[in-house]
Amino acid sequence: GDSVTQMEGPVTLSEEAFLTINCTYTATGYPSLFWYVQYPGEGLQLLLKATKADDKGSNKGFEATYRKETTSFHLEKGSVQVSDSAVYFCALSDSNQFYFGTGTSLTVIP
Amino acid sequence: EAGVTQSPTHLIKTRGQQATLRCSPISGHTSVYWYQQALGLGLQFLLWYDEGEERNRGNFPPRFSGRQFPNYSSELNVNALELEDSALYLCASSLPEAGLQETQYFGPGTRLLVL
Repeated sequence: GDSVTQMEGPVTLSEEAFLTINCTYTATGYPSLFWYVQYPGEGLQLLLKATKADDKGSNKGFEATYRKETTSFHLEKGSVQVSDSAVYFCALSDSNQFYFGTGTSLTVIP
Repeated sequence: EAGVTQSPTHLIKTRGQQATLRCSPISGHTSVYWYQQALGLGLQFLLWYDEGEERNRGNFPPRFSGRQFPNYSSELNVNALELEDSALYLCASSLPEAGLQETQYFGPGTRLLVL
């Protein structure tokens, strides 16, 4: 079946550091790919998405490119801020359901 | 615009009891999804309802069931509770236009503790 494998955390970075959180997927069809974020004390919210190969999703300085050849959707940000501290979930949707990764906790220190 | 709401926020039950969790989607959303977020396991898909019908269910036993009402709100029922059912249960809603490619909007969750 379909699945998502996400880089394990926790990840701790200094402010203004470069962030990469790896996400790879397994799917039989042509899924849509998502990154959701859960800030402390808040519910999950969509960060960005891409619905077909080579699409790039972007939001709040975060980017991820749908790479069919490497079955990846890595999340990147050039310069993280303390306010980016949260748990990040990679997700995949096919025609039947959503599959979420286990989440990567990011802490950004000043 | 009000977001997805869930009730109760916390629920404590004992083994063997039944739990009922409720979810109200965003106005205009007809699809409702339920997830279990157990510690260390990420989100596990439970159920998907759309227009009152169950569209799909995840790999959970039949004692996990639910329904969607005509106003698109939804209930998740867990019968014969077991200790490992302790988790955060999240509800999400979405517009139906593109099926599962639509963005899901999540509620704050119900934290269920089974003693």
